[in-house]
Amino acid sequence: AQTVTQSQPEMSVQEAETVTLSCTYDTSENNYYLFWYKQPPSRQMILVIRQEAYKQQNATENRFSVNFQKAAKSFSLKISDSQLGDTAMYFCAFMNAGGTSYGKLTFGQGTILTVHP
Amino acid sequence: NAGVTQTPKFRVLKTGQSMTLLCAQDMNHEYMYWYRQDPGMGLRLIHYSVGEGTTAKGEVPDGYNVSRLKKQNFLLGLESAAPSQTSVYFCASIGRGRVEQFFGPGTRLTVL
Repeated sequence: AQTVTQSQPEMSVQEAETVTLSCTYDTSENNYYLFWYKQPPSRQMILVIRQEAYKQQNATENRFSVNFQKAAKSFSLKISDSQLGDTAMYFCAFMNAGGTSYGKLTFGQGTILTVHP
Repeated sequence: NAGVTQTPKFRVLKTGQSMTLLCAQDMNHEYMYWYRQDPGMGLRLIHYSVGEGTTAKGEVPDGYNVSRLKKQNFLLGLESAAPSQTSVYFCASIGRGRVEQFFGPGTRLTVL
């Protein structure tokens, strides 16, 4: 079974600054996907960025980028030029790429990010 | 496309009452999931379905039942609600071979 751990229950950052959210995971699988989801107060789950384990290159989506360290089983999210709209709960999640566990997401506990003006 | 919809959005039950949460998706996805979200615990998988007529248990299935009679619908039932089932429930779906999972807006359930 997979586990995902987010060790930062809360983080805060000033507007326009950069913040990094941490995530570690444990799995015996070799082929999988990792995700960061954003959950604003509206409760909607929004996919921020994803990383395929077989890709060495770190994923980037505009102001969001990841630092994927497969050997260390670490998957951190960096938010650059933070905006007030980035204030939300952020979840790290793991999904097997195949087999009977395909499609099932394992989530971390979440990190509440507050962006201050 | 409406994506993934959930009915109802809010519900308050008394202990021992029963109810059914409905999830519907219009993307012709094969796989559907029910998660619950509790403070400090992230989302946890309750039950899931890999196709019409099939269901399977997830991480926290006790006290819940599910049915997938039609490909587009996935129902989550609580036969005898307990206060420990107070939570926010999310439905999600994903197409075969796809990577991105689509979530519904969630249902906030309170059991008194």
